[in-house]
Amino acid sequence: KAGVTQTPRYLIKTRGQQVTLSCSPISGHRSVSWYQQTPGQGLQFLFEYFSETQRNKGNFPGRFSGRQFSNSRSEMNVSTLELGDSALYLCASSFSGSAEEKLFFGSGTQLSVL
Amino acid sequence: KQEVTQIPAALSVPEGENLVLNCSFTDSAIYNLQWFRQDPGKGLTSLLLIQSSQREQTSGRLNASLDKSSGRSTLYIAASQPGDSATYLCAVRRDGATNKLIFGTGTLLAVQP
Repeated sequence: KAGVTQTPRYLIKTRGQQVTLSCSPISGHRSVSWYQQTPGQGLQFLFEYFSETQRNKGNFPGRFSGRQFSNSRSEMNVSTLELGDSALYLCASSFSGSAEEKLFFGSGTQLSVL
Repeated sequence: KQEVTQIPAALSVPEGENLVLNCSFTDSAIYNLQWFRQDPGKGLTSLLLIQSSQREQTSGRLNASLDKSSGRSTLYIAASQPGDSATYLCAVRRDGATNKLIFGTGTLLAVQP
């Protein structure tokens, strides 16, 4: 059974550009969450989707957005990139979105903003 | 505001030693706690999930305990191996309506052959 797949693995952008990251959850999983990991702030929650609806959102500016498609695949978008957006972006999935389930993470997309 | 701290930040042990990693959280009203490991440049691998009603969970050489009242969890690794070298993270869920995890600061473990 394939794990959580994130593409691309690495991305280099310049300030002011926008970027779209993709996440394919484990087959059958309907809940997808996104996290940002930086050396200074550690892992921080971005948002969570279940059945195409955003269930929860972290404390990030509106430049960060996401969506989920009917096949449970999810994308996150960051507009007007800033240097501080350089980070490892991790996606996690679970079967039903129940808080009693483990989360399974992908390998992440390493974003560098120059 | 929930804060999760892990001590020590880094640990180096010789192979074969038993070790304990600590996780502290400031708000005891958690739904559950999950331990992960992260290899360099990689995503997180789930190790153990402890519900708030449980005291401990075991998987192979790993044992995690939870004491909600004192705001503490420990991860015990028996007979450590070089392959255990990684960063270990604990994370708490505040309630049952979300998959939002609040992560600890992590412990970087190095097991020397």
